[in-house]
Amino acid sequence: GAVVSQHPSWVICKSGTSVKIECRSLDFQATTMFWYRQFPKQSLMLMATSNEGSKATYEQGVEKDKFLINHASLTLSTLTVTSAHPEDSSFYICSAKAGYNEKLFFGSGTQLSVL
Amino acid sequence: DAKTTQPPSMDCAEGRAANLPCNHSTISGNEYVYWYRQIHSQGPQYIIHGLKNNETNEMASLIITEDRKSSTLILPHATLRDTAVYYCIVRVGYSSASKIIFGSGTRLSIRP
Repeated sequence: GAVVSQHPSWVICKSGTSVKIECRSLDFQATTMFWYRQFPKQSLMLMATSNEGSKATYEQGVEKDKFLINHASLTLSTLTVTSAHPEDSSFYICSAKAGYNEKLFFGSGTQLSVL
Repeated sequence: DAKTTQPPSMDCAEGRAANLPCNHSTISGNEYVYWYRQIHSQGPQYIIHGLKNNETNEMASLIITEDRKSSTLILPHATLRDTAVYYCIVRVGYSSASKIIFGSGTRLSIRP
């Protein structure tokens, strides 16, 4: 089946630095990818919809200048957390849809810890 | 996308069938019902999806009521590895841009 690869699995960074998370569709092309954030014991919260070759669409309350999304190709979307602070510590997950069927596939997630 | 309602938690004995309900009374005619599960600290795992007919695969069965306002996910022989949070989602299946909005899900505990 289709695979979505997310990297890194975990990252620890100092407050004020930027962190980039990559999401790749390994064996299919994804014109649209989705980025989620999940805090402990909570459900996944949709942050933004990433569209290949165009600007991402952010959900209400998500700062687009803080969470930069780039979808430069049909197989790669990146999320950059700029000037990260401890409150940005969370589990970030991407997902993509394979165009040939209705299934949705998720990456394994990235645990971000900001010190 | 339509909203779903699930019980916050359930438990089931190992080896027995686990039946997880989901209400989606505002589902539209072109929206599919998807089920995913999330084991701690991992990305959600696809289980099954359907439009209006009942579906079965190697993991589970999906029973959708005739009016499509509710559905039940059935894990026929639950094991300890099935302990997870199960999410029922409705979305337009063929649209790659259709959002995936997660509800609070059902935390399923399998007891030995």
